[in-house]
Amino acid sequence: DIVMTQSPDSLAVSLGERATINCKSSQSVFHRSNNKNEIAWYQQKPGQPPKLLISWTSAREFGVPDRFSGSGSGTDFTLTISSLQAEDVAVYYCQQSYSGKTFGQGTKVEIK
Amino acid sequence: EVALVESGGGLVQPGGSLKLSCAASGFTFSNDWMTWVRQAPGKGLEWVATINQAGSETFYMGSVEGRFTISRDNGKNSLYLQTNSLRGEDTAVYFCAREVRGGILDYWGQGTPVTVSS
Repeated sequence: DIVMTQSPDSLAVSLGERATINCKSSQSVFHRSNNKNEIAWYQQKPGQPPKLLISWTSAREFGVPDRFSGSGSGTDFTLTISSLQAEDVAVYYCQQSYSGKTFGQGTKVEIK
Repeated sequence: EVALVESGGGLVQPGGSLKLSCAASGFTFSNDWMTWVRQAPGKGLEWVATINQAGSETFYMGSVEGRFTISRDNGKNSLYLQTNSLRGEDTAVYFCAREVRGGILDYWGQGTPVTVSS
């Protein structure tokens, strides 16, 4: 199984500042058939189901604010919130879909 | 608007069974793969099972293989998860999700809680 490891487990960022979450896969998740890294990012607020933010490493879903961006390749991926807003307080998960589906352990984002 | 509504969760004794359901609306259910994901209290997300559009292919995480069965009824726009021989470690909120683009979960239900305890 592909293991997904996120860092840090939690971070506190001031409003308007940048938040960066890292995700490392135990093996490459690059799919030659579509030339894409099979990485998605989800946001989960307390008491709510996860919400898809980004797929295929960097493709933002419709309606997701452009302060959210994804990047990376190979085995190292990043979710960046360029200017943290109060409504961004949540737990964020990366997920690989290259071989089955596995999630990172989650990163809790709070306001400093 | 896409909607997924789970039901069927509850309190069950170890060794017991529950059948979870997920009612889908707002999209052509028969066109999409569907997945169950669970979340133990205070923990992260864990993929449980996936089924293809026709119900002819199913996939399971290792620890539930042989105990859980995913199925669907396209005529009723419904997804199911039969859970047998339940253990304490199966205690979780179970979410159903629509799967697109080879493994991306784009819509999720609110979840149904399952508690396995004597």
